Amino acid sequence: AQSVSQHNHHVILSEAASLELGCNYSYGGTVNLFWYVQYPGQHLQLLLKYFSGDPLVKGIKGFEAEFIKSKFSFNLRKPSVQWSDTAEYFCAVRTMNRDDKIIFGKGTRLHILP
Amino acid sequence: NAGVTQTPKFQVLKTGQSMTLQCAQDMNHNSMYWYRQDPGMGLRLIYYSASEGTTDKGEVPNGYNVSRLNKREFSLRLESAAPSQTSVYFCASNDRVYTDTQYFGPGTRLTVL
Repeated sequence: AQSVSQHNHHVILSEAASLELGCNYSYGGTVNLFWYVQYPGQHLQLLLKYFSGDPLVKGIKGFEAEFIKSKFSFNLRKPSVQWSDTAEYFCAVRTMNRDDKIIFGKGTRLHILP
Repeated sequence: NAGVTQTPKFQVLKTGQSMTLQCAQDMNHNSMYWYRQDPGMGLRLIYYSASEGTTDKGEVPNGYNVSRLNKREFSLRLESAAPSQTSVYFCASNDRVYTDTQYFGPGTRLTVL
């Protein structure tokens, strides 16, 4: 079965630190890849996505992610985090097969110290 | 546009009771999903519906049933609630073809005693 692994369950950083959150998936075929964010008390919302083309994609609020097909990875990065980035981040994968499922990882809780 | 709406926002049940969680979207999306969110477990797919009239099991379907009533509405039913079903439940919809973006509802926090 397809799965999504997020390596960091809880990350604590100081403001201005650089961020990288890992995401790996297990599926050998074509995928659509996503990062979603859940700010405290808010709905989950899309941060960025990759379907095809340039493997480096940019999203909202200065986030970016790089798709490395050979590593089945889609890591999220931000050069300098802010206190307002405190949230839970979810990696998600849609496998382009007969199923219409989107599978989410277990999430990474990010806490930014002011 | 209201987007995706869910009712109720909170619910407390006793073991063995039944209830239906309602979800509606006004974005004319074909695909709809039900997830549960538990600490340390992320979002797990319960059921999904790729189009009106079709439903399929996700990762954790046991103890749940769904109905895709029409294109707008997708309900989740717990026939005999168990404490293990204490969770936050999210409904989502997706246009699948154009943006493939999940739009989530505000969630239902369910406690089963």
